[in-house]
Amino acid sequence: KQEVTQIPAALSVPEGENLVLNCSFTDSAIYNLQWFRQDPGKGLTSLLLIQSSQREQTSGRLNASLDKSSGRSTLYIAASQPGDSATYLCAVRDDKIIFGKGTRLHILP
Amino acid sequence: EADIYQTPRYLVIGTGKKITLECSQTMGHDKMYWYQQDPGMELHLIHYSYGVNSTEKGDLSSESTVSRIRTEHFPLTLESARPSHTSQYLCASSEAYEQYFGPGTRLTVT
Repeated sequence: KQEVTQIPAALSVPEGENLVLNCSFTDSAIYNLQWFRQDPGKGLTSLLLIQSSQREQTSGRLNASLDKSSGRSTLYIAASQPGDSATYLCAVRDDKIIFGKGTRLHILP
Repeated sequence: EADIYQTPRYLVIGTGKKITLECSQTMGHDKMYWYQQDPGMELHLIHYSYGVNSTEKGDLSSESTVSRIRTEHFPLTLESARPSHTSQYLCASSEAYEQYFGPGTRLTVT
């Protein structure tokens, strides 16, 4: 059974720092992995989608990597801003879509 | 930009009432999903549909039901709401690989 784990559960960093969020999954037979952002009480906004054949995707200050063999993905956020404060979720798709519990990120002004 | 809508955004209702949460998308996606999310917890899939007249139960057992009569519409119904149904309900759709989410409905059953 696929399990998705996100570490850390919560993170507070000063504005301007670069940071890395981690996502691990137990079954490497996935079709893709997607990173989302969720603001309190809101829906999810898709950030990056990495297909199983890809190693990384980039969008602006965000870079996501995927290492299927080790069951890991990282989301790198460069030059963090207070507006980046949110919960970041990763989800893997095999025959279903399984979400992690998320990392609550707080950027200190 | 994804166009997926959920109404109502917030609902407070008494025990025993019948409620329908609406979800619609204008992207023509075949696949649609309902997730339930308690505060600070992960999303759990409760229903999904791969097209018109197709509905399946998800991983988390739910007393709700869904229907898919039109491609763009995927409503979720609770025949008799209970306090244990208090949660946030998120609707999503996808075409190939990427999921798009609506803003969610926060349901409180008193």
